[in-house]
Amino acid sequence: GNSVTQMEGPVTLSEEAFLTINCTYTATGYPSLFWYVQYPGEGLQLLLKATKADDKGSNKGFEATYRKETTSFHLEKGSVQVSDSAVYFCALSANQAGTALIFGKGTTLSVSS
Amino acid sequence: NAGVMQNPRHLVRRRGQEARLRCSPMKGHSHVYWYRQLPEEGLKFMVYLQKENIIDESGMPKERFSAEFPKEGPSILRIQQVVRGDSAAYFCASSNRETSNQPQHFGDGTRLSIL
Repeated sequence: GNSVTQMEGPVTLSEEAFLTINCTYTATGYPSLFWYVQYPGEGLQLLLKATKADDKGSNKGFEATYRKETTSFHLEKGSVQVSDSAVYFCALSANQAGTALIFGKGTTLSVSS
Repeated sequence: NAGVMQNPRHLVRRRGQEARLRCSPMKGHSHVYWYRQLPEEGLKFMVYLQKENIIDESGMPKERFSAEFPKEGPSILRIQQVVRGDSAAYFCASSNRETSNQPQHFGDGTRLSIL
């Protein structure tokens, strides 16, 4: 079946450090891929998405490239800020109408000044 | 606020009681999804509804749980005879199309605590 595996946290970084959160997936066909961010006490917010191979999603300095050959969608940011501290979820949606999202377990990022 | 609205934000119930969670989708959205988040876990899909129809309930426990999305009013997730293991955050998401590449927009969730 379809699944998402992301690196376990917590990830602790100093401000302005480089961030990578690994995400790999298993899916039949060509899923759409997403990164969501969850701040404490809140719901999930869409951070970025990619819908086909080699697409790069980007938003707020975060980037992720859909790599079909390695079935990966790693999240990167060149210089993190304290305000980026949150839980990050990688998710996929199978290429079928109305399909629900399948999430990874989430990676907690803590950025200190 | 045109976002997905969930209420209540926090709900406390004693074992054996009923819990009713409400979700109003974003304006113009007719597709609603319910997810459950257990502590230290990602979100798990429960049920997908369109107006007056349950499309996919493959993630919903077979007993005690039910969901509806009536023609008028919010979507309701109902848990009967709650048990301690039902304690979790329940999130609702909506989208405006059924295609898989449309992002789902999430509410802030209902945190259910069972005493």
